[in-house]
Amino acid sequence: KAGVTQTPRYLIKTRGQQVTLSCSPISGHRSVSWYQQTPGQGLQFLFEYFSETQRNKGNFPGRFSGRQFSNSRSEMNVSTLELGDSALYLCASSLAYLERGEETQYFGPGTRLLVL
Amino acid sequence: KNEVEQSPQNLTAQEGEFITINCSYSVGISALHWLQQHPGGGIVSLFMLSSGKKKHGRLIATINIQEKHSSLHITASHPRDSAVYICAVATGGGADGLTFGKGTHLIIQP
Repeated sequence: KAGVTQTPRYLIKTRGQQVTLSCSPISGHRSVSWYQQTPGQGLQFLFEYFSETQRNKGNFPGRFSGRQFSNSRSEMNVSTLELGDSALYLCASSLAYLERGEETQYFGPGTRLLVL
Repeated sequence: KNEVEQSPQNLTAQEGEFITINCSYSVGISALHWLQQHPGGGIVSLFMLSSGKKKHGRLIATINIQEKHSSLHITASHPRDSAVYICAVATGGGADGLTFGKGTHLIIQP
């Protein structure tokens, strides 16, 4: 079974631009979660989608948004990029949603975003 | 909001030593995850547990729900175990997704 894939792997943008990142979960997985990792804050939860519905959202501004398609693929969008948005963005998939606490999360390799 | 504390932050040990990494959290949870992150960023889920103890190869994870504490043990440590180990908790019924500890940076010297 193929693992979680993320595209692109690396991205350079300038302040004020917007960016869209893509995540393809493991086949059959309906939950996709997104995380931001920075040296200062560590890993932080962005949001979770399950069956095309956003279930949870972390403490991030409205510039961060996402969606999930009927095939469970997910995209996250960051508008009006700021320097502080430079980070590794990870997605993870699982069979059930996070609060169930029953399923292992499988992480993708991440997209490294640099905002200049 | 759950607060997750890991200790130690950094750990250097010799090959073969028994390693223990600790994780404490402040609010009741539905599950606790132990993750491993190698240089380059890839994260692998090692364990997910909500009670008791799990073992996989040289890795053992335990959780004490009453004390809100979990430990990750590595027996017969090897240089390839060098990585960052991250504890994360899922709070059932909440909207926080996973809350992560800051990680333990482990180096095993040959």
